[in-house]
Amino acid sequence: SSELTQDPAVSVALGQTVRITCQGDSLKKYFASWYQQKPGQAPILVFFGKDKRPSGIPDRFSGSSSGTAASLTISEAQADDEADYYCHSRDSTGYRWLIGGGTKLTVV
Amino acid sequence: QVQLHQWGAGLLKPSETLSLTCAVSGGPFSGIYWSWIRQPPGKGLEWLGEISHSGSTNYNPSLKSRLTMSVDTSKNQFSLNLASVTAADTAVYYCARGTTGTTGRLDYGGQGTLVTVSS
Repeated sequence: SSELTQDPAVSVALGQTVRITCQGDSLKKYFASWYQQKPGQAPILVFFGKDKRPSGIPDRFSGSSSGTAASLTISEAQADDEADYYCHSRDSTGYRWLIGGGTKLTVV
Repeated sequence: QVQLHQWGAGLLKPSETLSLTCAVSGGPFSGIYWSWIRQPPGKGLEWLGEISHSGSTNYNPSLKSRLTMSVDTSKNQFSLNLASVTAADTAVYYCARGTTGTTGRLDYGGQGTLVTVSS
């Protein structure tokens, strides 16, 4: 399948840990990367590769991958983490980008 | 710090051509694939296509017939043209830098341009 699948919505209690998942055949070959997008703002990269965070992203954000699945884990969730999260990766041919449908994270 | 700044017309009539340009500063232009992404109101992100500094392109198959991308290496700029727009093309359009390899990602992006198609 040439697409990435995400759960539409996930919620987490303040201070707890949440995992956001992404599924797709391309993840057997390419690592998933993760965007965070808050309302009215451009998406920003928060995690990529096996264990990389862009400068300024707190280490509460981590990632993992196994086979056709990848996940973004946010520990000690804060109200400011409430956002849409999108995974993306190269497709299996390597000639285009795939972007997941997004997961809306609510911090309660 | 890599920065992308984009601009273009924000209001179009049906059947017109959408044109956006993105300027890159603070980092290398060569050896990179430069992408366009869009987001319709209230919906998710959609990758449109990419162009390399040498002009090689890869397009989303769903838009390929209407898409043209170009690059101006003398100005470190790349552009998007989307022909025959309809209301379904109303979206915020973003330019973005894409790195390749198994850890490839879309990292730096532009500020976004809202393009509205309305008669």
